[in-house]
Amino acid sequence: QSALTQPPSASGTPGQRVTIFCSGGTSNIGSNYVYWYQQLPGTAPKLLIYRHDQRSSGVADRFSGSKSGASASLAISGLRSEDEADYYCAAWDDSLNEWVFGGGTKLTVL
Amino acid sequence: QVQLVQSGAEVKKPGASVKVSCKASGYTFIGYGITWVRQAPGQGLEYMGWISAHSANRGYAQRFQGRVMMTTDTTTSTAHMELRSLGSDDTAVYFCARVELRLYCPNGVCFPGADYWGQGTLVTVSS
Repeated sequence: QSALTQPPSASGTPGQRVTIFCSGGTSNIGSNYVYWYQQLPGTAPKLLIYRHDQRSSGVADRFSGSKSGASASLAISGLRSEDEADYYCAAWDDSLNEWVFGGGTKLTVL
Repeated sequence: QVQLVQSGAEVKKPGASVKVSCKASGYTFIGYGITWVRQAPGQGLEYMGWISAHSANRGYAQRFQGRVMMTTDTTTSTAHMELRSLGSDDTAVYFCARVELRLYCPNGVCFPGADYWGQGTLVTVSS
């Protein structure tokens, strides 16, 4: 069971806006930075968002991150077929003294 | 540009050990740390631990304590991860990734996240 909770799946049609949520606790998201990764099939994770809401270099401004309390979210606007991938949230956990991940959300573009 | 290039796929028998390497380039190796993350087939990402580039500090995830060893070689800017007593549930793709270590976290060293990742190394454990 993952320390951070994400929905296993999400979907949207091209052009739509989709939001993926990540729920944690006071020892992880509540007190440390949230990172978001995109993983295309058969490839390594790619950094999308760091420090809650900062876009990594080269990442389209269609991707945005936010945090509120012990939860975070990743929003993708103007959905495209190439956005179809797995998305993971991650944060350091002060109680476990480990880096923890969400279980991942598989995004399908219909 | 920053690159992390990992060693090739491995096939091991149950009970054996595997050592995966991760060669860094495009940045000052000793200025960062390395974390190791694995992904079993069809599953999510699982954190294994971290090491500072000069090997002075390291931290392992609880579930891998006593079975994993992380090392670095600053002369070749390479990090290594050795996992012992392999079982079938160790079959996974193993990733290395660069991290910026923080020395003054509530419980010692920590890092906020990883930026650059290696391409992954498939380790298959099968009799």
